[in-house]
Amino acid sequence: DTAVSQTPKYLVTQMGNDKSIKCEQNLGHDTMYWYKQDSKKFLKIMFSYNNKELIINETVPNRFSPKSPDKAHLNLHINSLELGDSAVYFCASSQDSLLNYGYTFGSGTRLTVV
Amino acid sequence: GIQVEQSPPDLILQEGANSTLRCNFSDSVNNLQWFHQNPWGQLINLFYIPSGTKQNGRLSATTVATERYSLLYISSSQTTDSGVYFCAVGSNDYKLSFGAGTTVTVRA
Repeated sequence: DTAVSQTPKYLVTQMGNDKSIKCEQNLGHDTMYWYKQDSKKFLKIMFSYNNKELIINETVPNRFSPKSPDKAHLNLHINSLELGDSAVYFCASSQDSLLNYGYTFGSGTRLTVV
Repeated sequence: GIQVEQSPPDLILQEGANSTLRCNFSDSVNNLQWFHQNPWGQLINLFYIPSGTKQNGRLSATTVATERYSLLYISSSQTTDSGVYFCAVGSNDYKLSFGAGTTVTVRA
């Protein structure tokens, strides 16, 4: 039983397309995150939701829009994809938003924009 | 935000060797985690250790919060220990900030 699962694992798409990445956690955690890992393996937070409420919204292009239908799901929709969006996107969850617990990461989605 | 520096950036070990990875951070923290990213890209949480010492098998970690550093010890390294080790810290802004990582290669 995968604790944090992301789909798809790989996504290859053309510039200008719109795509979504889905994330689900079965740990009963209240908080979920999206991180972006660039080609140099640097990990940077993009968004965080706590019980479906957006609590962290870093400086990312507004082409990126997260959606949390319930606290077990956090999806990432990307409009008008650009070459620079190519990266690995990780979903993660934690028990609360107050940094009192460790994070559990999904296996990542490798997005390639051609 | 908090600055996180990891050293060394790269480490090559012979199987069976011991090693120490270091994480320095620029401000007081209330969350510190160590992760291992394996060659397949999966990020595994090794330790949640804002202070003190923990051990898990051949791995152990120590955080001295007052001096703003943490150490990760790998003993009797195995080829499966290869990958990138990340230190991540969080503070009052509730954001977890990652260091640039230490790439470990264990040779048989």
